[in-house]
Amino acid sequence: IAGITQAPTSQILAAGRRMTLRCTQDMRHNAMYWYRQDLGLGLRLIHYSNTAGTTGKGEVPDGYSVSRANTDDFPLTLASAVPSQTSVYFCASSDSTSGDNEQFFGPGTRLTVL
Amino acid sequence: GQNIDQPTEMTATEGAIVQINCTYQTSGFNGLFWYQQHAGEAPTFLSYNVLDGLEEKGRFSSFLSRSKGYSYLLLKELQMKDSASYLCAVKDSNYQLIWGAGTKLIIKP
Repeated sequence: IAGITQAPTSQILAAGRRMTLRCTQDMRHNAMYWYRQDLGLGLRLIHYSNTAGTTGKGEVPDGYSVSRANTDDFPLTLASAVPSQTSVYFCASSDSTSGDNEQFFGPGTRLTVL
Repeated sequence: GQNIDQPTEMTATEGAIVQINCTYQTSGFNGLFWYQQHAGEAPTFLSYNVLDGLEEKGRFSSFLSRSKGYSYLLLKELQMKDSASYLCAVKDSNYQLIWGAGTKLIIKP
C-alpha cells in the first residue's frame, strides 16, 4: 500500500521514559519530516532529512533525535519524555524539498506524557 | 521572525461560497501551499501557488499576491464534507514549510 505509515497510533507514556515513534514510507521519497501539532499552533518542524544519511534540526528540536539509515524509515526518539511533549506527531515525506513538491503526511501518533 | 496569519474559525452555509485569507511574512518565498485537515486526520494537499494570480481546481481556487504577502483559498458550492481546518503554509528560503495555525471552517445546513 503506497503511502506513509506511523506507529504507534497512540501512546500514553510516563515522564522520563524513552520512546521511539516509527515512520515508514514506500514512495521512495528523498525528503522526510517530523512535525508536532498542538492546539492553536501551526505544525512545527522538529527534524527533517533531505536524503538518506543526512538529518537537520527544525524549529523545535530539543528533546528529540532522529536517524535516516535508509530511504524508507525515519524514526523519532524522545530520550527522556516530559509532559510538554504531549502532542500529535506527524511524519511527512516529499520527493524533494524544492519547487512544488507537496508533502504527504502519515496518519499521526497521539502521544500523552504523564 | 516568520509569521503566517489566518482566521481561527469561519462559518458558512451549505451551497454558499467562502474565502479563507492568509497573510505571511517569511524569510524568502518559494511557494505557498493550502492543505485540508479533517478532525483527527492528517493534512492533505489542496493547492500550490508560486506566481501571482488565481489557480482553479474544481470547486477550490487559490490566489496569491507576493507583493502583498497575501493568499486566499476560495471554496464554492460548499458541501458538509468541506467542514475541516484549512492550513496555509509558505516554503521559506531554506525550502522548509512555515505553517499557519489553520482556519476551522464550520458548514451549516
